[in-house]
Amino acid sequence: QSVLTQPPSVSGAPGQRVTISCTGSSSNIGAGYDVHWYQQLPGTAPKLLIYGNSNRPSGVPDRFSGSKSGTSASLAITGLQAEDEADYYCQSYDSSLSVLYVFGTGTKVTVL
Amino acid sequence: QITLKESGPTLVKPTQTLTLTCTFSGFSLSTSGVGVGWIRQPPGKALEWLALIYWDDDKRYSPSLKSRLTITKDTSKNQVVLTMTNMDPVDTATYYCAHTRGYREWLGYWGQGTLVTVSS
Repeated sequence: QSVLTQPPSVSGAPGQRVTISCTGSSSNIGAGYDVHWYQQLPGTAPKLLIYGNSNRPSGVPDRFSGSKSGTSASLAITGLQAEDEADYYCQSYDSSLSVLYVFGTGTKVTVL
Repeated sequence: QITLKESGPTLVKPTQTLTLTCTFSGFSLSTSGVGVGWIRQPPGKALEWLALIYWDDDKRYSPSLKSRLTITKDTSKNQVVLTMTNMDPVDTATYYCAHTRGYREWLGYWGQGTLVTVSS
C-alpha cells in the first residue's frame, strides 16, 4: 500500500492534454520533499521522466511537465501521442515511514 | 553511458534465499554521492523500493522488508548484490536495480529488470 495516491487510469485523444495527480501528505510531498516521475512503457523498465518536481532530463519532450503544490504533485502531457501510452509513477521520500523511496500507485495512460 | 543489468535465478523455492547481482558500467560506486538501489514490481502491480547502498557503504532498507534484506557492493567489480531471505510466492516480481546520483535524489538510470518467480 503506497502513501502516494494516483488515479488508476486516465485517457485522452491524440493531441489532447491529460494530467495525472499524485496525492501525498505532510510527511512526504507536503514536507517539501521533491517529487519525481517515471514512465514505464509496456514490457520495459521505468524511465526517469521528470526530476525535482518540474525538470526534464535530456531527451524528454517538452510536452511533459511537472508541478507541485501543497501535498500534491501533477504530471501533465500536452499534445498526447500514441507513444505516450504507458504507466506513470510518481516518487518521493517519506519522513514518517523512513522510506527512502516511496512510489505512487501508478496511472495507466490510454491514448484513445 | 550508464548501464545496469540484473542477474540471478529466475525461479526460487519458498523459504529459499534469493541472491541478485547488479552489474553496472559508466560510473563508479566510489564517486561521492552515488548509490545503487533495488526496486521490485509484482506482475501488474506498482513499484516498491527495497534497498539502496551509497558510495560510502551507507545502506538503507525498506522498513517493511529490512529483516530479510542485505545489500552489499564490490566496487572493484562494479557490482551490487541483494540477498532476500525466506522467499515466499508473494515475492514473485520483476526486480530492478537503478542508479542515483545522491541521497534522496531520483533514480536516473534503470536496469532492464529480471523476473523472479517463487514457486515450489
